[in-house]
Amino acid sequence: GAVVSQHPSRVICKSGTSVKIECRSLDFQATTMFWYRQFPKKSLMLMATSNEGSKATYEQGVEKDKFLINHASLTLSTLTVTSAHPEDSSFYICSAGDGGDYRIQETQYFGPGTRLLVL
Amino acid sequence: RKEVEQDPGPFNVPEGATVAFNCTYSNSASQSFFWYRQDCRKEPKLLMSVYSSGNEDGRFTAQLNRASQYISLLIRDSKLSDSATYLCVVNGGNFGNEKLTFGTGTRLTIIP
Repeated sequence: GAVVSQHPSRVICKSGTSVKIECRSLDFQATTMFWYRQFPKKSLMLMATSNEGSKATYEQGVEKDKFLINHASLTLSTLTVTSAHPEDSSFYICSAGDGGDYRIQETQYFGPGTRLLVL
Repeated sequence: RKEVEQDPGPFNVPEGATVAFNCTYSNSASQSFFWYRQDCRKEPKLLMSVYSSGNEDGRFTAQLNRASQYISLLIRDSKLSDSATYLCVVNGGNFGNEKLTFGTGTRLTIIP
């Protein structure tokens, strides 16, 4: 199946610093990637849709100035958590679709996730 | 009402038994349905898509009931390795709208 990578897998930072997370589709091109966040014992919640070559679309309640998304190429999207605070500590997961075809909806493949801890 | 609703469990089932999960969704326009499994502290992995006619993959069978807006997953002859959280996932409702909505997951533990 398609492979999506994320880097870093784990990061610990001080409150007030910014953290950049990379999401790469390794063997396919993805015009759209998705960023999710998962708090302990909770479901994945979509934060934003990252569109190659255009602005990201943010879900209600997600601050676009705090969670900066850049989708500069068909294989790379980045999420930057600016001025991170302890409440931003979470598991951040990206996904990318394989495009599908005219018969079936595309399948989303998830990166391994980035565990962020803000002290 | 939640967009995708699942019984969180936990389900503790003896090895070899059959277990079934249900999931309901609120958006009648949804077109694509999936079951993902998520192991502890890992990313979700696609288990199977759910088709209108129902589909089977080895010990796993998925069913879709559009009229009642629910999806089911049946696991036969359960193995210890089936222990995980099973996520019911529904797409945005329009072909090309890939936004996925996740249920909170059903936690399954297979007991030796």
